[in-house]
Amino acid sequence: NAGVTQTPKFRILKIGQSMTLQCTQDMNHNYMYWYRQDPGMGLKLIYYSVGAGITDKGEVPNGYNVSRSTTEDFPLRLELAAPSQTSVYFCASSYSLAGAKNEQFFGPGTRLTVL
Amino acid sequence: KQEVTQIPAALSVPEGENLVLNCSFTDSAIYNLQWFRQDPGKGLTSLLLIQSSQREQTSGRLNASLDKSSGRSTLYIAASQPGDSATYLCAVSSGGSYIPTFGRGTSLIVHP
Repeated sequence: NAGVTQTPKFRILKIGQSMTLQCTQDMNHNYMYWYRQDPGMGLKLIYYSVGAGITDKGEVPNGYNVSRSTTEDFPLRLELAAPSQTSVYFCASSYSLAGAKNEQFFGPGTRLTVL
Repeated sequence: KQEVTQIPAALSVPEGENLVLNCSFTDSAIYNLQWFRQDPGKGLTSLLLIQSSQREQTSGRLNASLDKSSGRSTLYIAASQPGDSATYLCAVSSGGSYIPTFGRGTSLIVHP
């Protein structure tokens, strides 16, 4: 299993541009998450999904959109990029929300800079 | 709202020392607690997950304990090695959504 994969690894955007961060998992996990990590600030949840067709906002959803058309894929869309969206973005997945199967598995991250 | 604190923020120790990393949380009604390792420029790797009904979990030189009543978890690393150098994060699942809340991490350097 490849686990959780993310593309691209790095990206530089100009203010106002848009892009989609891709995330795919091959573990047949129901739950998928998008986090952003700013230096020294821990991880903050942007959006999460409990299954295909179902998504919900996390702590910092403004400026982002998601979709979940399949179990495997959970893309994150940035519209009208702003310097405040400069961060490292991590996608994660878990089999369930509760119990031992709540263990989260992370992708390698996408480092995004908005200039 | 759950708040997770990790102290110290940074730690530098000589090789071979046994060390303890701390994680505290404000809401003791948790479902589970997970410890992660993050190497520079990399994603998070799960180390240990403790269910709310458990007191500790062990994996190799790592032992994580959980005391819900005091709102604390500790990660014990035995006989530290330079390869243990990384940032260690804890994440607590609680509340109706079960979504984990992360601490800011402890940056560990083990020098030869």
